Amino acid sequence: DAGITQSPRYKITETGRQVTLMCHQTWSHSYMFWYRQDLGHGLRLIYYSAAADITDKGEVPDGYVVSRSKTENFPLTLESATRSQTSVYFCASSGSRSSGNQETQYFGPGTRLLVL
Amino acid sequence: AQSVSQHNHHVILSEAASLELGCNYSYGGTVNLFWYVQYPGQHLQLLLKYFSGDPLVKGIKGFEAEFIKSKFSFNLRKPSVQWSDTAEYFCAVNARAGANNLFFGTGTRLTVIP
Repeated sequence: DAGITQSPRYKITETGRQVTLMCHQTWSHSYMFWYRQDLGHGLRLIYYSAAADITDKGEVPDGYVVSRSKTENFPLTLESATRSQTSVYFCASSGSRSSGNQETQYFGPGTRLLVL
Repeated sequence: AQSVSQHNHHVILSEAASLELGCNYSYGGTVNLFWYVQYPGQHLQLLLKYFSGDPLVKGIKGFEAEFIKSKFSFNLRKPSVQWSDTAEYFCAVNARAGANNLFFGTGTRLTVIP
């Protein structure tokens, strides 16, 4: 039962570099989400996707790009990393309302990103 | 827009003490409510959830939460905490009518002293 996995688990990069964080889920969930976790802010939604090829912005999308060509994958790209993007990034997935397994989000183990 | 407030930022308790963590949300429509727990160095795990029905919901590890609609609250309780409950606890809400987006509170760090 692989569930939802993220890679890499830890990443150090430099300002200005492009970084891609991977997320993969094995449940065929319709919805996938990217959050960042920062002290004092809890988790904030960056982007989400309701299905393959459908993505939408969350609360803090600036500086991030997502794609969803396959249902099981939802990569998050920082096009030009900044120090303010140092954070812990969590991917999550959930079923659709019509599937009867809606609402509950299941989280991956997170990626710790440090931008120098 | 929805928002979630967790008023306790850090709670320190001795083992066997009772726990209540506050959670209030702001949204006029029907909501689904969640408590997630994050043990040190781990990812978020669902503790319990409320969609409808009995406003007192029971979760894993002896936790329960009560939805009080008139107060827009969903407080988390446990009658007797253990050292292993040391973790960060997040309240979250999503609107029944909207997308599946979860809005999280800022979290409450619980430290249980043996």
